[in-house]
Amino acid sequence: EPEVTQTPSHQVTQMGQEVILRCVPISNHLYFYWYRQILGQKVEFLVSFYNNEISEKSEIFDDQFSVERPDGSNFTLKIRSTKLEDSAMYFCASSEFTGGPRETQYFGPGTRLLVL
Amino acid sequence: SQQGEEDPQALSIQEGENATMNCSYKTSINNLQWYRQNSGRGLVHLILIRSNEREKHSGRLRVTLDTSKKSSSLLITASRAADTASYFCATDGLRDAGGTSYGKLTFGQGTILTVHP
Repeated sequence: EPEVTQTPSHQVTQMGQEVILRCVPISNHLYFYWYRQILGQKVEFLVSFYNNEISEKSEIFDDQFSVERPDGSNFTLKIRSTKLEDSAMYFCASSEFTGGPRETQYFGPGTRLLVL
Repeated sequence: SQQGEEDPQALSIQEGENATMNCSYKTSINNLQWYRQNSGRGLVHLILIRSNEREKHSGRLRVTLDTSKKSSSLLITASRAADTASYFCATDGLRDAGGTSYGKLTFGQGTILTVHP
């Protein structure tokens, strides 16, 4: 069964460093998402992406964050200058296009980011 | 306001018993989805119910949706120890009266289910 994959599974970085989290969505999906879950807290929406542009973003997704689909398979989340509070599990998700992003979102296994 | 609040926060049952988890939300929705998360792992999609549906089944799972009360419930029948996990409801809210979805999911805090062998 097709699944969303994410790399790396764990990343440790120093505060102020840039990190890139990578995702390979399910191949026929056209909507892509990033969410994060700080330890012990709710899963929070960061951004949705369709047709090579951001379609929705949350207030968490500030200028430090960016997303990109550099080729036909990868979807990346970049954090330019990491802060301690960026430590979280980051989930990528994708969904089919059926006239709108109204379908099941399939999540990857997550990347656990630790900022020291 | 909080969207997608589950109760109870924790539920402990014996194998073979049924587990019922509830979810309440505050805004109009396009659909509501239930996910499961094993400790520290990824989110596994369980079931999606649309705003015009009232009940849906998938294997041992039964989901109901009451849009007038803005609530949903997830029933797991004949539970197994392997069902031990956190369960989250997530709502896909409507942007406008025309039915346009935001396409983003708003998650609740989740219910921690423990099934004892």
